[in-house]
Amino acid sequence: NAGVTQTPKFRILKIGQSMTLQCAQDMNHNYMYWYRQDPGMGLKLIYYSVGAGITDKGEVPNGYNVSRSTTEDFPLRLELAAPSQTSVYFCASSSTTGGGYSNQPQHFGDGTRLSIL
Amino acid sequence: KNEVEQSPQNLTAQEGEFITINCSYSVGISALHWLQQHPGGGIVSLFMLSSGKKKHGRLIATINIQEKHSSLHITASHPRDSAVYICAVAGGSQGNLIFGKGTKLSVKP
Repeated sequence: NAGVTQTPKFRILKIGQSMTLQCAQDMNHNYMYWYRQDPGMGLKLIYYSVGAGITDKGEVPNGYNVSRSTTEDFPLRLELAAPSQTSVYFCASSSTTGGGYSNQPQHFGDGTRLSIL
Repeated sequence: KNEVEQSPQNLTAQEGEFITINCSYSVGISALHWLQQHPGGGIVSLFMLSSGKKKHGRLIATINIQEKHSSLHITASHPRDSAVYICAVAGGSQGNLIFGKGTKLSVKP
């Protein structure tokens, strides 16, 4: 099984450009998440989804948008790239058994390293 | 003050040493996670626990809910254990995980 697949692995954008970070999982997990990891900081939740058609903002949603049309896919869109969005982005997923979506192990993709210049 | 504090920030050990990484948190939680981030960047979940102790191979995780503290122990450390170890607690206002900044472990042969 592939688990959680993120593409691309690396990308350089110019300020003001747009792009979509792709995330797909093949574990039939309902819960999916997008995090960003900045140097010397803990991961921060950008957006999350508890199922197809349902998304919600996390701690740092400004400048990003998401959609969840299928259980498998959870793309993250940057509309107007800014230098502050230079970061490593991780997508993750988890199952729904047991109460609360943070009470299940999360499966992470390998990350997308994004630089905005 | 960060809601999740890890110590030490950096740790260098000799192969074979017993290693302890600590995590303290200030919020009420329903579960605590330990994760490992490889030098290449990938993140793997090691443990999720809400009480007591869990063991997997040479790794042991403990939690004391009353003291709001957890430890990750590595016995007979090996260079392949070199990684960043991240503590995260299920205690965010949206039920989300709150992550510590990580402990960078380097095990020398």
